[in-house]
Amino acid sequence: DTAVSQTPKYLVTQMGNDKSIKCEQNLGHDTMYWYKQDSKKFLKIMFSYNNKELIINETVPNRFSPKSPDKAHLNLHINSLELGDSAVYFCASSQDDRWEGYTFGSGTRLTVV
Amino acid sequence: EDQVTQSPEALRLQEGESSSLNCSYTVSGLRGLFWYRQDPGKGPEFLFTLYSAGEEKEKERLKATLTKKESFLHITAPKPEDSATYLCALAHTGGGSEKLVFGKGTKLTVNP
Repeated sequence: DTAVSQTPKYLVTQMGNDKSIKCEQNLGHDTMYWYKQDSKKFLKIMFSYNNKELIINETVPNRFSPKSPDKAHLNLHINSLELGDSAVYFCASSQDDRWEGYTFGSGTRLTVV
Repeated sequence: EDQVTQSPEALRLQEGESSSLNCSYTVSGLRGLFWYRQDPGKGPEFLFTLYSAGEEKEKERLKATLTKKESFLHITAPKPEDSATYLCALAHTGGGSEKLVFGKGTKLTVNP
């Protein structure tokens, strides 16, 4: 009964490949997010979606494209992967009318070789 | 621009040795200040939200306090299982949505 689940947990791929990370939440939250945690453990927002609508896009390269088929799912597709994309990507969700912060998934460690 | 600065970057304590972690911030309008705990290989786990200066919240050995410029996470008589990275984050409303701006965290190690 995981609240926010991401797949895969680990992803190793070569430069230039295209990959996707999936995220699902069963909390009934309205908003979902993608955050990137770099090698220095700094968490930075990439995107947020509210009821399938893109709300925040924080100067992320066009190679990153989020897709939200419904409010319980937010996937991240990355084209033409680069070495600098190596990081841990966290999905999170929140309920707007009960501001209690985010619930995070366990992360996807992406390694580009 | 919103900024969150945490200090120290790393802290080593002996079991039972109380201490405090600092989070200083600048924001145009504070919606909430959050504390999270992150264990290696896991996502951040929510601890507290503080909304206004003077507010305090407690949970077991942890107590969070808030002023207009900073927040403290006080750890009383820590145990080895309190070892983790503690993240501070703030939120302000803007554009009809919320986003959290995180500090770089304080890595706490409690030795038995």
